[in-house]
Amino acid sequence: AQTVTQSQPEMSVQEAETVTLSCTYDTSESDYYLFWYKQPPSRQMILVIRQEAYKQQNATENRFSVNFQKAAKSFSLKISDSQLGDAAMYFCAPEYSGAGSYQLTFGKGTKLSVIP
Amino acid sequence: DTGVSQDPRHKITKRGQNVTFRCDPISEHNRLYWYRQTLGQGPEFLTYFQNEAQLEKSRLLSDRFSAERPKGSFSTLEIQRTEQGDSAMYLCASSFMGEQYFGPGTRLTVT
Repeated sequence: AQTVTQSQPEMSVQEAETVTLSCTYDTSESDYYLFWYKQPPSRQMILVIRQEAYKQQNATENRFSVNFQKAAKSFSLKISDSQLGDAAMYFCAPEYSGAGSYQLTFGKGTKLSVIP
Repeated sequence: DTGVSQDPRHKITKRGQNVTFRCDPISEHNRLYWYRQTLGQGPEFLTYFQNEAQLEKSRLLSDRFSAERPKGSFSTLEIQRTEQGDSAMYLCASSFMGEQYFGPGTRLTVT
């Protein structure tokens, strides 16, 4: 079974500071995608950033960037210049195509609080 | 296009009743997914459609659960003889060969 571990149930960051959320996963597949999703309180899941496993270059999206270490099966998310609107649950989710369904496998999430 | 929509947003039902949820994906998306999310957990995969064909079902999907996607457009998820353990948020997502876009979810409470 594919597993995803987010070892930080809760994190906090001062507004304008930088925070890194960690994620490790376990798979025997070589080709897959990795995603970080954000779920604000009582609101729907929003895609934050996407990384293709075959690409060595780390993905960036404005203030969000990832550190992808394929051999270590690690996929951390860095949020720079944190804003109050970044407060949410963050989920790491690999997408494996081996089963043919491209389903996402989610971690348990990290609750991020932003302190004004 | 306003994104993925789900109806109803909230459903309260008594144990043993049947419920049906609807999902309308983004119009050009051929892939549709259902996930279930319980409190404090990440979503868990339930089932997947490519166009109208249901191609995969999780072992979480017991015989009381059935999903359809007639004509490859909207999808319905039915739960028969609901149990208290079915209380959760049911999320629908759609995609077209890329990232999945999620709807707001249907929160089911079984009393």
